[in-house]
Amino acid sequence: DIQMTQSPSSVSASVGDRVTITCRASQGISNWLAWYQQKPGKAPKLLIYAASNLQSGVPSRFSGSGSGTDFSLTISSLQPEDFAVYYCQQGDSFPYTFGQGTKVEIK
Amino acid sequence: EVHLLESGGGLVQPGGSLRLSCAASGFTFSTYAMTWVRQAPGKGLEWVSIISGSGASTTHVESVKGRFTISRDNSKNTVYLQMNSLGADDTAVYYCARGMTPKIYDFHMDVWGKGTTVTVSS
Repeated sequence: DIQMTQSPSSVSASVGDRVTITCRASQGISNWLAWYQQKPGKAPKLLIYAASNLQSGVPSRFSGSGSGTDFSLTISSLQPEDFAVYYCQQGDSFPYTFGQGTKVEIK
Repeated sequence: EVHLLESGGGLVQPGGSLRLSCAASGFTFSTYAMTWVRQAPGKGLEWVSIISGSGASTTHVESVKGRFTISRDNSKNTVYLQMNSLGADDTAVYYCARGMTPKIYDFHMDVWGKGTTVTVSS
């Protein structure tokens, strides 16, 4: 199975900060990497697919990059509604796997 | 509006069975692969099962193979997850999600339901 490792596990940040979360795959996954946002008690929401494609309706302050084994999600200017848990997911090989999650908390 | 609505969750005894359903609306159901993802209490996301748009291709995570079966009825715009021999480790919120193409490969999930809770306990 492909292991997805996110870092950091949690980050404290202020409104307006730039936040970057990284995700490393245990083997190459081309660009089959997605990022999801999950708020408490809610379903995940797709933010980025195929490593760098912004999902329709997602604010442009979210961006993704990377290929192969190393990927990142950047929030250029953190907004109050962005405090949540973020997961990466590889869609390259079965079983599809998620990172352990990164919690973005208010500083 | 694109919408997924799960149902069928509940409390079941160890060794028991449940069938989850996910009713889709607002899109051409047969042209999208569908999947189930679960989340144990306080834990992260775990992909469980996937089925192609036609229903011809399916696969599951190893931990549920032989116990869970995914299926779909494109005439009813519904995907199902039959879960047998349930154990405590299966306790989770189960989400239905849509893929971005009809195929089960190169897969991301763009639409999610709100989830249905399965609790396995005596």
